[in-house]
Amino acid sequence: DIQMTQSPSSLSASVGDRVTISCRASQDITNYLAWYQQKPGQPPRLLIFAASTLQSGVPSRFSGSGSGTDFTLTISSLQAEDVATYYCQKYYNDPRAFGQGTKVEI
Amino acid sequence: QVRLQESGPGLVKPSETLSLTCTVSNFSLTSDYYWGWIRQSPGKGLEWIASIYQNGGIYYNPSLRSRVTISIDTSKNQFSLQVNSVTAADTAVYYCVREGLGTTWGLFDSWGQGALVNVSS
Repeated sequence: DIQMTQSPSSLSASVGDRVTISCRASQDITNYLAWYQQKPGQPPRLLIFAASTLQSGVPSRFSGSGSGTDFTLTISSLQAEDVATYYCQKYYNDPRAFGQGTKVEI
Repeated sequence: QVRLQESGPGLVKPSETLSLTCTVSNFSLTSDYYWGWIRQSPGKGLEWIASIYQNGGIYYNPSLRSRVTISIDTSKNQFSLQVNSVTAADTAVYYCVREGLGTTWGLFDSWGQGALVNVSS
């Protein structure tokens, strides 16, 4: 099975900072990579799919990049409401699998 | 807008069967989507459990396949999950989800609020 590894596991940044989260797949997954945001007490929310396509309604400060095995989620200017745990996930391949999450704090 | 709502007992005894139902509103289960379950253990990450299509096409996580059954009732617009022989390790928030088809197969675009299930005697 393909394993998904995120780094870092947590980070602290200031409002307005540029934040980058990495996700690595153990095998080539082309661009079948999604990012989810989970705020405390809430279910995850789909942010990005196909590595770089923003889901409807997601602020443009979020962006994704990468292909193959290495992917990145970037928040261009961190806002207070972005405090959450972010997960990457590979799809279009069985079994579906998530990274272990990156907790973003202010 | 599609709405998913989990229901079921919040407490299950060890060795017994965990049963959950997801009721879907404002969207038909006969549409071109898969429907699935994902769980999240306290303080842990996300684990996909199983997915089902309207015609009964099913995918299970190999790590749980021997203890899990997913089913669908399109007449009630509901789908369900059973986990047999539960242990404390099955304590988690269980989410029901809508999953895409084709190039979005395995992509979870709508989630229920989650149901906490505690396995304890």
